[in-house]
Amino acid sequence: EVQLVQSGAEVKKPGESLKISCQGSGYSFTTIWIGWVRQMPGKGLEWMGVIYPGDSDTKYSPSFQGQVTISADKSISTAYLQWSSLRVSDTAMYYCARGRARTAPFDYWGQGTLVTVSS
Amino acid sequence: DIVMTQSPDSLAVSLGERATINCKSSQSVLYSSNNKNSLAWYQQRPGQPPKLLIYWASTRESGVPDRFSGSGSGTDFTLTINSLQAEDVAVYFCQQHYTTPQTFGQGTKVEIE
Repeated sequence: EVQLVQSGAEVKKPGESLKISCQGSGYSFTTIWIGWVRQMPGKGLEWMGVIYPGDSDTKYSPSFQGQVTISADKSISTAYLQWSSLRVSDTAMYYCARGRARTAPFDYWGQGTLVTVSS
Repeated sequence: DIVMTQSPDSLAVSLGERATINCKSSQSVLYSSNNKNSLAWYQQRPGQPPKLLIYWASTRESGVPDRFSGSGSGTDFTLTINSLQAEDVAVYFCQQHYTTPQTFGQGTKVEIE
């Protein structure tokens, strides 16, 4: 059974750093793209970027380039999304999801990680 | 970026009736290599992650009930839910998977009338 399990909810202060995770199982982690999608409270879905864990090839949306870093550790089948300095506007639900190609739709999704940034 | 625009923003449909959601892309999403349209539909129930319903504009994902169907080509697409069920109450998003960054429509909320 394919599963993507994300790390738990986080509450942070502005300026703090954060790294959230997404562990895949039930499929070949290194041959399937993993993407990250942001959903701000009460809003729609925003595609942030994707990574190919096999060689760490990464593609960012221009809207998120330089704001976040996507990485993966194939030895533990885990992808990451990290911030070096959080802003209040980063408060959102973040989903990881997998796609069979860089431009494929996402067929399996994680349960989401709620990130709250507040002073 | 390709802009995806859905209509309506919300609709209320009686149980057993048909719901129709439209999605328009700012440019063609026809993938020339296979002559298929790179358009997907997702369902997001309250408090849940999105679920892939349809890709390549009209291919139903495994396990998706056949009351869900997708159609359209080029820049104009439609998701149809025949015989609406209570469990279909959700927000529906279209997405172009033609190029990066992949982009989503703003969502259409479907409720029971």
